[in-house]
Amino acid sequence: AQTVTQSQPEMSVQEAETVTLSCTYDTSESDYYLFWYKQPPSRQMILVIRQEAYKQQNATENRFSVNFQKAAKSFSLKISDSQLGDAAMYFCAYRSAPSYGKLTFGQGTILTVHP
Amino acid sequence: DSGVTQTPKHLITATGQRVTLRCSPRSGDLSVYWYQQSLDQGLQFLIQYYNGEERAKGNILERFSAQQFPDLHSELNLSSLELGDSALYFCASSVWRGGGEQYFGPGTRLTVT
Repeated sequence: AQTVTQSQPEMSVQEAETVTLSCTYDTSESDYYLFWYKQPPSRQMILVIRQEAYKQQNATENRFSVNFQKAAKSFSLKISDSQLGDAAMYFCAYRSAPSYGKLTFGQGTILTVHP
Repeated sequence: DSGVTQTPKHLITATGQRVTLRCSPRSGDLSVYWYQQSLDQGLQFLIQYYNGEERAKGNILERFSAQQFPDLHSELNLSSLELGDSALYFCASSVWRGGGEQYFGPGTRLTVT
């Protein structure tokens, strides 16, 4: 079974600075997808970014980018120019490519943004 | 707004009772997933339906059941409720049977007293 580990229960960053959230996963599969979801205080789960394992290029979405290290099974999220609205719980998630699509989540990292 | 709707937003009920949570997927999405978010278990996958058929099961209790109707909306039924069933229940939908981005509804917060 796949597992996802987020070793940082909490992180903080100053507004306009850069922060990196860590995620590691364990799998024996070669084809899969990785995601970062954001859960603000409203509790809504919002997809931030996705990465296909077969792509070597790291995904980027505006201020959000990932560092995907397939051999190390590491998938970190970098948030640049942090904004107050980035404060939330962030979840790393794994999905097998050939499976029926269930997401396996990490424990989450609470991100606080200081003005 | 993800386009996925869930009702009700909040539900308070007593132990031993039965409740039904409802989910309407995004227009065009055939897959519906149910997840449970609790303090001690985190976010866990419960069950998936695709075009009316059950496709995958996770850590779903026998007291829980779900179905997807011809109009593609889904219902999660929770019975013989226990205090430990208190959680946020999310529904998500995606286009494909096996994948595609999963878009989450706002969740139903269930409190069992």
